[in-house]
Amino acid sequence: AQTVTQSQPEMSVQEAETVTLSCTYDTSESNYYLFWYKQPPSRQMILVIRQEAYKQQNATENRFSVNFQKAAKSFSLKISDSQLGDTAMYFCASPVMEYGNKLVFGAGTILRVKS
Amino acid sequence: KAGVTQTPRYLIKTRGQQVTLSCSPISGHRSVSWYQQTPGQGLQFLFEYFSETQRNKGNFPGRFSGRQFSNSRSEMNVSTLELGDSALYLCASSLPSGSTDTQYFGPGTRLTVL
Repeated sequence: AQTVTQSQPEMSVQEAETVTLSCTYDTSESNYYLFWYKQPPSRQMILVIRQEAYKQQNATENRFSVNFQKAAKSFSLKISDSQLGDTAMYFCASPVMEYGNKLVFGAGTILRVKS
Repeated sequence: KAGVTQTPRYLIKTRGQQVTLSCSPISGHRSVSWYQQTPGQGLQFLFEYFSETQRNKGNFPGRFSGRQFSNSRSEMNVSTLELGDSALYLCASSLPSGSTDTQYFGPGTRLTVL
């Protein structure tokens, strides 16, 4: 079965600093996508960034970037210049590459940005 | 473009009752997926509908069902509610090109079963 593991239940970072959230996954697929979603206290799940496994280049979206290590099946999220609004639960997710949409999520990492 | 909408946002029911939750996808999106989020089990996939057909199903009992209408709006139904059904129910919509589509989530429906 496809699994996604986030080993850091909670993390904190000072405003303006950089933090990295870890994620490892297990898939037998050769071509797949990986996602990071953010869930702030409002509970709205927001897409942060998406990585296509066949692309060598790490995805970047403004202050958010990933470190994708395909051989190690590692997909970490780096947040630069952390802001108070980044406080949220962050989920790593991978789709099951069968017919239809099905995301498998990690357990999540609570990130607290402190002023 | 308007995002995914879910109604109602909050719901309180008692054991044994049934409940219907609604999800309207982003305009042009034809796939709607449902997820249950609980503190103990995390985020779990319930099912996905595409073109009014259930295309994929998670590991939930038959009390959980859903449907999709011709305008891509989807409903999920839970019958004979149990205390353990208390959860945040999230729906997500995506374009119909396959399992690599990005899913966009609604704000969720918070269901409390007393």
